[in-house]
Amino acid sequence: SAVISQKPSRDICQRGTSLTIQCQVDSQVTMMFWYRQQPGQSLTLIATANQGSEATYESGFVIDKFPISRPNLTFSTLTVSNMSPEDSSIYLCSVLQTGVQEKLFFGSGTQLSVL
Amino acid sequence: KQEVTQIPAALSVPEGENLVLNCSFTDSAIYNLQWFRQDPGKGLTSLLLIQSSQREQTSGRLNASLDKSSGRSTLYIAASQPGDSATYLCAVPPVYGGATNKLIFGTGTLLAVQP
Repeated sequence: SAVISQKPSRDICQRGTSLTIQCQVDSQVTMMFWYRQQPGQSLTLIATANQGSEATYESGFVIDKFPISRPNLTFSTLTVSNMSPEDSSIYLCSVLQTGVQEKLFFGSGTQLSVL
Repeated sequence: KQEVTQIPAALSVPEGENLVLNCSFTDSAIYNLQWFRQDPGKGLTSLLLIQSSQREQTSGRLNASLDKSSGRSTLYIAASQPGDSATYLCAVPPVYGGATNKLIFGTGTLLAVQP
């Protein structure tokens, strides 16, 4: 199974600032994704990070607010821009491992609190 | 639109008890169903994945069943231990396209196993 390192693990940020979250995978993967988990809610897919092209965003999420980079097949970043308290969530990186069975693996998450 | 519901939202049991967690989905035409475990402030760990053609999967003390016709899955935990305390999430891909990455998650069951 893929090993996914995500950092920072947690951060407390001021309103109006931006935070970049990094996701590193120990093997090359085609598909990487970013999810958000707001307090008391389940996970929601933000976007698919595509290598060599712009990310594909889900309904309700836009590139200006959540710019994503995917410079190679093992790394991606998600930036949460111009933060407000409503952005306080756990942000999770995940990768799709293909083969006999397709399965999603998740990083340990970044717990973000915006004051 | 597929919706995933988990009941109960929270469960507290004494150590050693066998327990069942429930997951319901509104559209039975699923590709697979996955159970995850999430520890507080952490990412997700995949526990079991059941393909649509399967009725159950087992891993150690965990057994997951799938009844597509009734839109239900159960996660059975035998001889529960305090270390099993976590939030348990079920998830299914969207009905059309079967994109494993775009999982639709339930809101989870928060399990506390009392020593």
